[in-house]
Amino acid sequence: GDSVTQMEGPVTLSEEAFLTINCTYTATGYPSLFWYVQYPGEGLQLLLKATKADDKGSNKGFEATYRKETTSFHLEKGSVQVSDSAVYFCALSDPGQAGTALIFGKGTTLSVSS
Amino acid sequence: DAGVIQSPRHEVTEMGQEVTLRCKPISGHNSLFWYRQTMMRGLELLIYFNNNVPIDDSGMPEDRFSAKMPNASFSTLKIQPSEPRDSAVYFCASSLKGSYEQYFGPGTRLTVT
Repeated sequence: GDSVTQMEGPVTLSEEAFLTINCTYTATGYPSLFWYVQYPGEGLQLLLKATKADDKGSNKGFEATYRKETTSFHLEKGSVQVSDSAVYFCALSDPGQAGTALIFGKGTTLSVSS
Repeated sequence: DAGVIQSPRHEVTEMGQEVTLRCKPISGHNSLFWYRQTMMRGLELLIYFNNNVPIDDSGMPEDRFSAKMPNASFSTLKIQPSEPRDSAVYFCASSLKGSYEQYFGPGTRLTVT
């Protein structure tokens, strides 16, 4: 079945460092891809999305490009801040099935120190 | 918009007691999802509804868990009887018809002693 694999955490960086969190997926068809972020003590929030191959999602300085050839959707940010410390989840949706559940990865914890 | 509302935010109960978690989805959203999050198992989908109808409850751990959605603006997740292994954060999420984007509530942290 469809699945999402994220890099193991935690990822520990200094402020202003470059961030990459790897995400690969297995799916039949062409799913939509998402990154969600969970700040301490809160629910998940949608960070960015891409709905088709070669689309780039971006928000708050984060970017991810939908790569069909490598089945990947890696999250990147050029300069992280302490406030970016959170858990990041990669997710995919069943194509053509809006209103169905998303399939989430296990999450990657990011810790940024000043 | 108020977002997805969950209550209570924290619940501490003793083993064997009944627990009811509540969720109010965003107005106009027609899909509702219940998730459970633990350190060991991560984020798990328990059940979801479309137009108040349960679509997939294969993630519900066992018969002690039940969920209802009597109308478009309210859902409950009930655990009876509760056990210590049910301790987790329970999230409710909703989405708009035709959209894949889910909006999560703040969660209910359940502790069963």
